[in-house]
Amino acid sequence: EAEVAQSPRYKITEKSQAVAFWCDPISGHATLYWYRQILGQGPELLVQFQDESVVDDSQLPKDRFSAERLKGVDSTLKIQPAELGDSAMYLCASSSRDRMNTEAFFGQGTRLTVV
Amino acid sequence: AQTVTQSQPEMSVQEAETVTLSCTYDTSESDYYLFWYKQPPSRQMILVIRQEAYKQQNATENRFSVNFQKAAKSFSLKISDSQLGDAAMYFCALNTGTASKLTFGTGTRLQVTL
Repeated sequence: EAEVAQSPRYKITEKSQAVAFWCDPISGHATLYWYRQILGQGPELLVQFQDESVVDDSQLPKDRFSAERLKGVDSTLKIQPAELGDSAMYLCASSSRDRMNTEAFFGQGTRLTVV
Repeated sequence: AQTVTQSQPEMSVQEAETVTLSCTYDTSESDYYLFWYKQPPSRQMILVIRQEAYKQQNATENRFSVNFQKAAKSFSLKISDSQLGDAAMYFCALNTGTASKLTFGTGTRLQVTL
């Protein structure tokens, strides 16, 4: 069964260092989401791609976060420099069409700890 | 702007009993979808059930059903015959607009006891 792949599963980094997360969506899925989930809270959308284009990055802290999906397939989310408050689970999800009724499939996430 | 509110941080149910998780939402859109997602411990989030705003009939999926009250902007999830495997975080989510933006609530942690 096709799944959204994310790596690494866990990442510990020091404050002010750079960190990157990778996501490979389900093949053929045009829409890709990056969410941040702080422990005990719901996922918060950071950035949404339709193919290689960003359709929503209004909640992405652009002074330190960047995201790209160069060929409209896999995606990378980068944080530079990392801050203590960035400790969270970073979830990637994908869906097959840019439609409201489409189910989003989630990866297992990358748990980031900034020390 | 769209918001989703889940007012029950934690719920508990005995095995084989029924439990209802609450969710309210707000949107200015007339067409939208509502979802319940389940996030088991250390596992990825999966879809439990979805409901289209234009459909008056409440969605059902086996032991899971919803009570959709559009005027009240309420979307509760009922789990019947609860099983140990139902223990998880449950998130209510709203998808509106052509950009397909998916907004989540803060979640309800469901415990299932013997």
